[in-house]
Amino acid sequence: AQTVTQSQPEMSVQEAETVTLSCTYDTSESDYYLFWYKQPPSRQMILVIRQEAYKQQNATENRFSVNFQKAAKSFSLKISDSQLGDAAMYFCAYRSAGDMRFGAGTRLTVKP
Amino acid sequence: NAGVTQTPKFRILKIGQSMTLQCTQDMNHNYMYWYRQDPGMGLKLIYYSVGAGITDKGEVPNGYNVSRSTTEDFPLRLELAAPSQTSVYFCASSWVPPGRGADGYTFGSGTRLTVV
Repeated sequence: AQTVTQSQPEMSVQEAETVTLSCTYDTSESDYYLFWYKQPPSRQMILVIRQEAYKQQNATENRFSVNFQKAAKSFSLKISDSQLGDAAMYFCAYRSAGDMRFGAGTRLTVKP
Repeated sequence: NAGVTQTPKFRILKIGQSMTLQCTQDMNHNYMYWYRQDPGMGLKLIYYSVGAGITDKGEVPNGYNVSRSTTEDFPLRLELAAPSQTSVYFCASSWVPPGRGADGYTFGSGTRLTVV
């Protein structure tokens, strides 16, 4: 079964600095999709960024980018120029032929 | 465009009571899901549906039932509430089937359920 591991329960970053959240996954599939979701205190799950496994180029969305290492099964999220509004739980997720599997989450604190 | 709407947002149940968590989406998505989120854990799939009249079990289905009579609605039923069902419940929907395309899920805002 596919598993998603986020080894950092909590992270903190100074406002305007850069932070990287880690995610590893285990799969025997060659075709799959990876996601990062943000969950602010409102509980709403918000899609931040997605990556198709067949694409070598790392996805970017404004201040958010990923470092996708397929051989290492690693999918980290980099947040540049951190803002107070980035404070939230961040979930890494994996999706292949089955349903979407989620990591346990990383709580990000942004210090002013 | 409301997206995915869940009701209620909060509920306290006594052990043994029953309730239905409502989920409605207005995006004409065929694929709908129910997840639960326990403290310090990621989301785990309870049930999912690939279209009206078709449902299937996910990773943690025990203690729950679902139905899908229309494309829009996917209610989750708890028959005999237990403290282990204290959790936050999320409904989600998707345009593409599992494994097809990079479409993420659209989530509702969740229902916080406490069983005492």
